[in-house]
Amino acid sequence: NAGVTQTPKFQVLKTGQSMTLQCAQDMNHNSMYWYRQDPGMGLRLIYYSASEGTTDKGEVPNGYNVSRLNKREFSLRLESAAPSQTSVYFCASRRHPLTVTLAKNIQYFGAGTRLSVL
Amino acid sequence: QKEVEQDPGPLSVPEGAIVSLNCTYSNSAFQYFMWYRQYSRKGPELLMYTYSSGNKEDGRFTAQVDKSSKYISLFIRDSQPSDSATYLCAMSRTGAQKLVFGQGTRLTINP
Repeated sequence: NAGVTQTPKFQVLKTGQSMTLQCAQDMNHNSMYWYRQDPGMGLRLIYYSASEGTTDKGEVPNGYNVSRLNKREFSLRLESAAPSQTSVYFCASRRHPLTVTLAKNIQYFGAGTRLSVL
Repeated sequence: QKEVEQDPGPLSVPEGAIVSLNCTYSNSAFQYFMWYRQYSRKGPELLMYTYSSGNKEDGRFTAQVDKSSKYISLFIRDSQPSDSATYLCAMSRTGAQKLVFGQGTRLTINP
C-alpha cells in the first residue's frame, strides 16, 4: 500500500517555464489537496478537490491550476513559473466521512516535491 | 491575526526532558485537533488526533485540548533524539473539508 505518491521529487525550472506536479493515492479517498510549505509559513493550501469532478481554491491559488483527473489522481500545474513559487509542494488525501459520527479529518501526505524556480 | 498560532521555535532540549508544544486558535467552532510530525525532507505524518476537549495519551505522547482557553498542547515524555522533527498542529470544524495548520515548531533533542 503506497499511500500518496508524488512525482517528481525534485525539479528546477527557469522563470516562465511550465510544469505539472503529479499526485496519486491508492487509499480510495474522496478528497485531495495541494499545499506549499515555505520556511516560517507552515502549510498553505493551494487548491483542493472534495470529490472527483470538483475543485476549489485554497489560501494561495494564484499562479496555479489543478485537474482532478479521476478519483486517484490530482495534478497541480504551473503555467508560467516565477521565483516566488520556489517551495516544497505536498499533496494530501482524506477519506470523506459518511456520517458525522465517522467524521475524521485526517489527511495523509505524500513525500513532497522540491521545486526551485531560477 | 492568524487563525492558528504556533511558536516556530526552534526548540532544543536534552535527551530525557519533557517537551511541551503548544498552539492557540481563535475559531471556537474547531472541534478536531491534530498533531503532525514532519521529519526533515519528508511529508507530515499524523501523530495524535483528538476530538473536542480532553486528553489523549499514546505511549510517550499526550495531547491536551482546552477549548475554553482555545489552547492545545502536545507533551513528549522521556524525549529521544528520534523525536527531533518539526511538529505541526492542525484543526478543523465538523464537516469542514480543510484543515488549518500552525506554522510548525522545529524540535531538536540533544543526546
